[in-house]
Amino acid sequence: GESVGLHLPTLSVQEGDNSIINCAYSNSASDYFIWYKQESGKGPQFIIDIRSNMDKRQGQRVTVLLNKTVKHLSLQIAATQPGDSAVYFCAENMEYGNKLVFGAGTILRVKS
Amino acid sequence: NAGVTQTPKFQVLKTGQSMTLQCAQDMNHNSMYWYRQDPGMGLRLIYYSASEGTTDKGEVPNGYNVSRLNKREFSLRLESAAPSQTSVYFCTAGQFFNQPQHFGDGTRLSIL
Repeated sequence: GESVGLHLPTLSVQEGDNSIINCAYSNSASDYFIWYKQESGKGPQFIIDIRSNMDKRQGQRVTVLLNKTVKHLSLQIAATQPGDSAVYFCAENMEYGNKLVFGAGTILRVKS
Repeated sequence: NAGVTQTPKFQVLKTGQSMTLQCAQDMNHNSMYWYRQDPGMGLRLIYYSASEGTTDKGEVPNGYNVSRLNKREFSLRLESAAPSQTSVYFCTAGQFFNQPQHFGDGTRLSIL
């Protein structure tokens, strides 16, 4: 989840399809992970979190998968809707750490 | 329940002017944070306050100062604004380690 420059990766999906947004995190000592959604002109909004003792957690229409072996996190959105269009950020936190480290983000565009 | 409130929402400054960004939370959270968000750079931590009475530097503290006025309020000050500080500033609040931080809607700051 390090910054990769000026151009964010973009995922375009058709309305109703499932979306998968990926994130590679940087620190093998991280034990808590969060996904945020940021709509234009607003602050990031918490979607779902997962701790390192889990490999999957489900919410309403969203699922987060954690693969600690390859330091990879993914967010799956079922039946993607136009309102899901936003920038999605992953964030990681080390055990007992106060500070979240954010990835650069992925733009999700939903086509109607 | 407002959550995290930031003021002002927009501000334009001239180089060398000073400015204080205000943040207040009504969630009774112990920890508060200030981030800046620049295009393609993700969110970078400026300063944080793990609890009332303490403040610590984050990733990009130069040119900023903070004050944790009480449990509710955490302000960010630019003593002599520079064009490089043009950004969107977000304040967050969180309760414990491994709990999500909740964002305000940001202050959009332009320095000419």
